[in-house]
Amino acid sequence: GAVVSQHPSRVICKSGTSVKIECRSLDFQATTMFWYRQFPKQSLMLMATSNEGSKATYEQGVEKDKFLINHASLTLSTLTVTSAHPEDSSFYICSARDLSGANVLTFGAGSRLTVL
Amino acid sequence: GQQLNQSPQSMFIQEGEDVSMNCTSSSIFNTWLWYKQDPGEGPVLLIALYKAGELTSNGRLTAQFGITRKDSFLNISASIPSDVGIYFCAGQRSYNFNKFYFGSGTKLNVKP
Repeated sequence: GAVVSQHPSRVICKSGTSVKIECRSLDFQATTMFWYRQFPKQSLMLMATSNEGSKATYEQGVEKDKFLINHASLTLSTLTVTSAHPEDSSFYICSARDLSGANVLTFGAGSRLTVL
Repeated sequence: GQQLNQSPQSMFIQEGEDVSMNCTSSSIFNTWLWYKQDPGEGPVLLIALYKAGELTSNGRLTAQFGITRKDSFLNISASIPSDVGIYFCAGQRSYNFNKFYFGSGTKLNVKP
């Protein structure tokens, strides 16, 4: 079945630095990937839809300059949290859909970001 | 924002008991998905439903796509301790192929 790899699983950074999270579809091509943020004990909040070869579509209230998304290939999307602050600390999860397979979302294992 | 109402929010049950949770919406959906999320992990797909009335099983799990296309339920039979986790429903509406909506989750606790 479809597999999505997300890296790193955990990252700790200093306030003001930038952090990049990678999301890869390992055995399928994904023209679209999705980035979510999850606060403790809450559901998944869609941040943006990443489109291969074009600009990402951001949800209302998500700062596109703060959360930079790049989808340069059919198997890789990256989320860069720029000038991170402690309030950016969260669990970030990506997902992708294999258009040649069943209409389901396959999720990465998530990335725990802690900003000191 | 979310358009799916998932209930219950949490459940505390004894090992061996059956569990039921559901998701409802005021809108029609053409796909219902059920996921389980363990702490610190991403959600894992349990069951996918694509037709109104469809009833699908995956081991001890059974899910149904409501006839009205506005709801879905997930049943877990004979629960075991490893069923502990958060269960999410997700739905896709007909008109927007790229948009999936998520329920708020049901936290399941199983006492051995």
